[in-house]
Amino acid sequence: QQQVKQSPQSLIVQKGGISIINCAYENTAFDYFPWYQQFPGKGPALLIAIRPDVSEKKEGRFTISFNKSAKQFSLHIMDSQPGDSATYFCAASMDGSARQLTFGSGTQLTVLP
Amino acid sequence: DAGVTQSPTHLIKTRGQHVTLRCSPISGHKSVSWYQQVLGQGPQFIFQYYEKEERGRGNFPDRFSARQFPNYSSELNVNALLLGDSALYLCASSSRGLAGSTGELFFGEGSRLTVL
Repeated sequence: QQQVKQSPQSLIVQKGGISIINCAYENTAFDYFPWYQQFPGKGPALLIAIRPDVSEKKEGRFTISFNKSAKQFSLHIMDSQPGDSATYFCAASMDGSARQLTFGSGTQLTVLP
Repeated sequence: DAGVTQSPTHLIKTRGQHVTLRCSPISGHKSVSWYQQVLGQGPQFIFQYYEKEERGRGNFPDRFSARQFPNYSSELNVNALLLGDSALYLCASSSRGLAGSTGELFFGEGSRLTVL
């Protein structure tokens, strides 16, 4: 019940294309949903986060779409760039904080030049 | 400003040994969390400390322990190492650490532990 399931495991996109990564959760107590970006040899870095009271949040080329009834959320990267090539993790936590995150298994994104 | 710093960056141990990993949070941050990231998987929550008190514990055996010092730095200790403990251990700090308080987690680059 604590799991966050992420797909796809890997994704290859052409430069300028749209990258879409999906996550699903079971625990309805989750109320904070961040996305992290991790480059090789680095720790994860917060990209964008959403709470269940909104259905979409956009920051630059990155958008989170949230479907509370389906218990699903997704990350859309518009105009994907080679510099976006990294591993992306969705995560979820309870009580409105990022104190104890449950991470998905990750998506390795490759953006071809 | 320095980010979250962890030491050592890499270490090799043998089964049954003990390991201590260290973390210095961003200046002013009072919350420190520890995560285990096995190769090819997402990080898994181990502990959270705020104001030197344990505020959360993940599903890890008692071989794993941690503490936070008065200067808010932290140590993660793992006893009786198993092959399966081989992983990247990530420390993260936040300015806020209580339920209901939003505070971005800033991760360090991790300590890569290999157990032979």
